[in-house]
Amino acid sequence: NAGVTQTPKFQVLKTGQSMTLQCAQDMNHNSMYWYRQDPGMGLRLIYYSASEGTTDKGEVPNGYNVSRLNKREFSLRLESAAPSQTSVYFCASSGIPWTGDQETQYFGPGTRLLVL
Amino acid sequence: LAKTTQPISMDSYEGQEVNITCSHNNIATNDYITWYQQFPSQGPRFIIQGYKTKVTNEVASLFIPADRKSSTLSLPRVSLSDTAVYYCLVGRTGGYNKLIFGAGTRLAVHP
Repeated sequence: NAGVTQTPKFQVLKTGQSMTLQCAQDMNHNSMYWYRQDPGMGLRLIYYSASEGTTDKGEVPNGYNVSRLNKREFSLRLESAAPSQTSVYFCASSGIPWTGDQETQYFGPGTRLLVL
Repeated sequence: LAKTTQPISMDSYEGQEVNITCSHNNIATNDYITWYQQFPSQGPRFIIQGYKTKVTNEVASLFIPADRKSSTLSLPRVSLSDTAVYYCLVGRTGGYNKLIFGAGTRLAVHP
């Protein structure tokens, strides 16, 4: 049981390049999320997916697209990277922990993206 | 979505009890209160969750007064490894809702 996995761990892009961040979870969770975290800041929600086949915008969706490929996988695409998108990107999925009855989020290790 | 307010930073020493209070004046009836911990270069990790009164697990306790407009995360006998950022979140997840992470509280534990 690997939990939430993300690839790549680190990426350097030039302005205008595109790339896709991959996320997968093996906990059979319905909901998945993409966040970005800038230095010294909290997490900001980019997009989320309530269930397979659905996606919705979060706080900061501009410049990103997402695909919920199946129940396990949720990818984030930067079509034309900008320096303002330099950040750490976290993927999460949500499920009910054994200690509670309200869904909580389980996070991946993050992808560090540098856009030059 | 309920907005939360918590201290930006706190300092403590090994072996002390640390209490971090979070204010959430506009919490809704169906909202839960959840705390996450984040170490540098890692994703946040679930610590504890509650709806009302007191919840305790092997890591922490969560105290919620009757009006639910605030909550307090209590970490007993902290160690250096408890140095992290702690986030208080209010709301419901489950696909049709989403949580907002604030800046969190940076806890520094000193020897």
